[in-house]
Amino acid sequence: GAVVSQHPSRVICKSGTSVKIECRSLDFQATTMFWYRQFPKQSLMLMATSNEGSKATYEQGVEKDKFLINHASLTLSTLTVTSAHPEDSSFYICSAPGRSNTQYFGPGTRLTVL
Amino acid sequence: GDSVTQMEGPVTLSEEAFLTINCTYTATGYPSLFWYVQYPGEGLQLLLKATKADDKGSNKGFEATYRKETTSFHLEKGSVQVSDSAVYFCALSGLTGGGNKLTFGTGTQLKVEL
Repeated sequence: GAVVSQHPSRVICKSGTSVKIECRSLDFQATTMFWYRQFPKQSLMLMATSNEGSKATYEQGVEKDKFLINHASLTLSTLTVTSAHPEDSSFYICSAPGRSNTQYFGPGTRLTVL
Repeated sequence: GDSVTQMEGPVTLSEEAFLTINCTYTATGYPSLFWYVQYPGEGLQLLLKATKADDKGSNKGFEATYRKETTSFHLEKGSVQVSDSAVYFCALSGLTGGGNKLTFGTGTQLKVEL
């Protein structure tokens, strides 16, 4: 089946630094990818829709200048958390749509900001 | 807007017990409905789905029926195993985002004990 990878799986950074997370569709092309944030014991919250060849679409309340999204190619989207702070610590998950309205999810990236 | 409500966990069952995880939704039109499962340390995987009223999705012994009259999509399994221990998410795909945008419930953690 379709596979989506994320890198890194875990990252620890100092407050004020920026962190880039990659999401790749390994055996299919994705003109759209989705970025979610998952808080402990809570559901996935959609942050933004990454669009190949155009700007990302952000959900209400998500700071576009803080969470920079770049859909560099048909198989790669990146999320950069700029000037990270401890409250940005979370589990970030990407997904890409496949056939029949099915989403394929990456394994997630655990970000810890010290 | 669209929303999904599912029963809170954790749910703890003995092996071979019957499982029901309730899920109800609010959406415009006729969404597609999904159950995703997240095993410890892994990303979300599609468990089953249904795209129209009265459809029954099934996989690995799990079933859920799309009930439009009660706006529900309850997950059931007749005999759970220890390996079913995971977090289960109910989700819907509505009209926005070209039908690819998912709205998730808060997730229900299932623990199956011997």
